[in-house]
Amino acid sequence: DVKVTQSSRYLVKRTGEKVFLECVQDMDHENMFWYRQDPGLGLRLIYFSYDVKMKEKGDIPEGYSVSREKKERFSLILESASTNQTSMYLCASSFSYGGVYEQYFGPGTRLTVT
Amino acid sequence: AQSVTQLDSHVSVSEGTPVLLRCNYSSSYSPSLFWYVQHPNKGLQLLLKYTSAATLVKGINGFEAEFKKSETSFHLTKPSAHMSDAAEYFCVVSSFSQGGKLIFGQGTELSVKP
Repeated sequence: DVKVTQSSRYLVKRTGEKVFLECVQDMDHENMFWYRQDPGLGLRLIYFSYDVKMKEKGDIPEGYSVSREKKERFSLILESASTNQTSMYLCASSFSYGGVYEQYFGPGTRLTVT
Repeated sequence: AQSVTQLDSHVSVSEGTPVLLRCNYSSSYSPSLFWYVQHPNKGLQLLLKYTSAATLVKGINGFEAEFKKSETSFHLTKPSAHMSDAAEYFCVVSSFSQGGKLIFGQGTELSVKP
């Protein structure tokens, strides 16, 4: 079974703090993704990565950065957390060949910024 | 460009009755389509996928979906609902032209009454 793990299920941070969300996958997937999920807005793509040290902006990258130093690990960084970044954050991974791109998701991190 | 529309934001059924969750898509290419399920405070789990093979796709937990190109639809069905099916369901199209990014519908919340 594909396993995608996220470092925390619940996280509470203060405004202005630097926040790291970690994601690890064990299936040697090339692609990794970070989403945020908000009621009424569905899932929105923040950043994704096709390979080590490569990153692409998604639909809502403002206020976030990412790091991918190893193939299995993809980190989301909030440089200076703000209350409007309170959300559920989901990491996902997938292969990048064959034209079929189903993604496998982690359990999510519910981040609260106070 | 690809897009997906879930026609109902909320569906309520009684246990033991059929489930129908509706999804229409728009795609310039031959699409890959998916249904994901999300139980409360959990990550997304792949229910089934269509990849241009059989038009009737069987998934986990008794769900199936039929790809109808003429109607640009990919509705999810189950003959008999179970209480454990209560969750949020997402219809998703893969953006082949954008390197495998997933385009999510807004989600349909399924309630199952005893």
